[in-house]
Amino acid sequence: GQQLNQSPQSMFIQEGEDVSMNCTSSSIFNTWLWYKQDPGEGPVLLIALYKAGELTSNGRLTAQFGITRKDSFLNISASIPSDVGIYFCAGVYNNNDMRFGAGTRLTVKP
Amino acid sequence: DTGVSQNPRHKITKRGQNVTFRCDPISEHNRLYWYRQTLGQGPEFLTYFQNEAQLEKSRLLSDRFSAERPKGSFSTLEIQRTEQGDSAMYLCASSTWDSRAFFGQGTRLTVV
Repeated sequence: GQQLNQSPQSMFIQEGEDVSMNCTSSSIFNTWLWYKQDPGEGPVLLIALYKAGELTSNGRLTAQFGITRKDSFLNISASIPSDVGIYFCAGVYNNNDMRFGAGTRLTVKP
Repeated sequence: DTGVSQNPRHKITKRGQNVTFRCDPISEHNRLYWYRQTLGQGPEFLTYFQNEAQLEKSRLLSDRFSAERPKGSFSTLEIQRTEQGDSAMYLCASSTWDSRAFFGQGTRLTVV
């Protein structure tokens, strides 16, 4: 199956700092999705990417679909305390097969 | 707001009992997914429906697991003869053709 490697596993940053995380795979995906999950809740969709090289923003979040279609990146600028949570990448293969990375746990210190 | 709805939110059951979870997707979404998530892990794919057709099942889905989506609307996931290893969060998501999947709040199952 398609394995997604998400890094880093966890990050501890100061409020106001920028954050970068990424997801890589040995397989090609048609779509990349980024989610945020709070404890005890379902993942919330942040950004969807559909084309290689695509760069999409959602407020302070920016994500990119890698040129090789095997990776994706998420950046958060000027972090705030409510950015705390677990961020997951998901790759969609064949328009219906959606697989998740293991997540990046973000802690923001005020 | 008619997002994805899952019931119940929490379920505690004794080992060996059967449990059933329900998912009501966003009404215009033809695709429905079930995932299982354990602590510290990402969601693991279980099964996928397009309308009422179950198009894919993970090898994680043993014979004790069955999912249905009658008439292509709501879906149920049943686990028979529950085991302690079935304790997890069960997540349902739905999407249209664009694969932007929206998740429900999940059903947390505890098998004691």
